[in-house]
Amino acid sequence: GAGVSQSPSNKVTEKGKDVELRCDPISGHTALYWYRQRLGQGLEFLIYFQGNSAPDKSGLPSDRFSAERTGESVSTLTIQRTQQEDSAVYLCASSPGGLAGVGDEQFFGPGTRLTVL
Amino acid sequence: GQNIDQPTEMTATEGAIVQINCTYQTSGFNGLFWYQQHAGEAPTFLSYNVLDGLEEKGRFSSFLSRSKGYSYLLLKELQMKDSASYLCAVRGPNFNKFYFGSGTKLNVKP
Repeated sequence: GAGVSQSPSNKVTEKGKDVELRCDPISGHTALYWYRQRLGQGLEFLIYFQGNSAPDKSGLPSDRFSAERTGESVSTLTIQRTQQEDSAVYLCASSPGGLAGVGDEQFFGPGTRLTVL
Repeated sequence: GQNIDQPTEMTATEGAIVQINCTYQTSGFNGLFWYQQHAGEAPTFLSYNVLDGLEEKGRFSSFLSRSKGYSYLLLKELQMKDSASYLCAVRGPNFNKFYFGSGTKLNVKP
């Protein structure tokens, strides 16, 4: 597709349930990021994938959070046993690669708004 | 640790110039990015600085001083559509992480 897509756009779940969020990056982009953005706050780094390298999971807030990526395509972020504090917008971004370069920007998807009741 | 500071909110008048500052303290640096985020939308890329100095792109310019850990985004000839949050982000030493500030909400008034 032309841009990064995410699904679902909105997810309402009950505390304790598991949720799975999906990200389709721009074709050919080897780098993929997941962020969390709470209301009125900046972006909080969660996880980074680069090609076939081991992902950088250092931003995941707890072991309830996990993410996978199939090759250089789709990624899923899974939150187990959701808590109310997990309520936020989860943004996915992709970029062409992991090396510096002019305009090596991240392209963001529209996000998934997660509400945990 | 990583620390990115920006003012929380600013107000300016249509047609004027506004400067949004960002100071950072990070362990390692590989570029500073500015993003624009309209309410309820995803961030979009505005500018990138890796060397000291000013980068100009139309009405938007961004400045970087690595020795001072300081950047600013300059918006000229403000338009109502410039009302948005502006996010400053620093890329870490391994090119794999971006540390974002909390964003500056800019309100442009007629």
